[in-house]
Amino acid sequence: GEDVEQSLFLSVREGDSSVINCTYTDSSSTYLYWYKQEPGAGLQLLTYIFSNMDMKQDQRLTVLLNKKDKHLSLRIADTQTGDSAIYFCAERRGNNRLAFGKGNQVVVIP
Amino acid sequence: EPEVTQTPSHQVTQMGQEVILRCVPISNHLYFYWYRQILGQKVEFLVSFYNNEISEKSEIFDDQFSVERPDGSNFTLKIRSTKLEDSAMYFCASSEGGGPNEKLFFGSGTQLSVL
Repeated sequence: GEDVEQSLFLSVREGDSSVINCTYTDSSSTYLYWYKQEPGAGLQLLTYIFSNMDMKQDQRLTVLLNKKDKHLSLRIADTQTGDSAIYFCAERRGNNRLAFGKGNQVVVIP
Repeated sequence: EPEVTQTPSHQVTQMGQEVILRCVPISNHLYFYWYRQILGQKVEFLVSFYNNEISEKSEIFDDQFSVERPDGSNFTLKIRSTKLEDSAMYFCASSEGGGPNEKLFFGSGTQLSVL
């Protein structure tokens, strides 16, 4: 079946960079997204990348897309305690449907 | 910043009972969605809604589920006869348009526990 896969847990020291990885299977996906979920809050769109791009940078966030391997990553530079959250990658399927990964818990250690 | 609000934040119900989960999408948004996340599993798409009708639904969204926009502000998900496996976090979302580059704004979810 078609699945979006993520590793589950990452701990990182404050100030270091963190990298979260995701693989997807639907090569026809046009947009891929990273969402952040803080405790008790909803899913917040962090950034997205169009499938004809390899990289997108947005302040401390860098998204890399390897279409050949169907691999998406999110790098957070200078990780801060406020970055502690669950991060979900998602791909667009059809008109309005997002397919999410299970999420990756990032814990930032002061 | 405008946000999607969901009520209640927690709902406990007995198996077989009907529940209605409520959402107030962002006011100028036209597209509405429900997603759910069973504990330890992925966030799953349930249904999308536009112009007072369902535009897409997943295989999860069977006859036990229905959605409604009863007035100009609310968007509800009804589960007619809850089952144990309906226990999950239910997220409502809305977007201004329906294109692939539209941002979906999510609410903070309703945790449904079916006993």
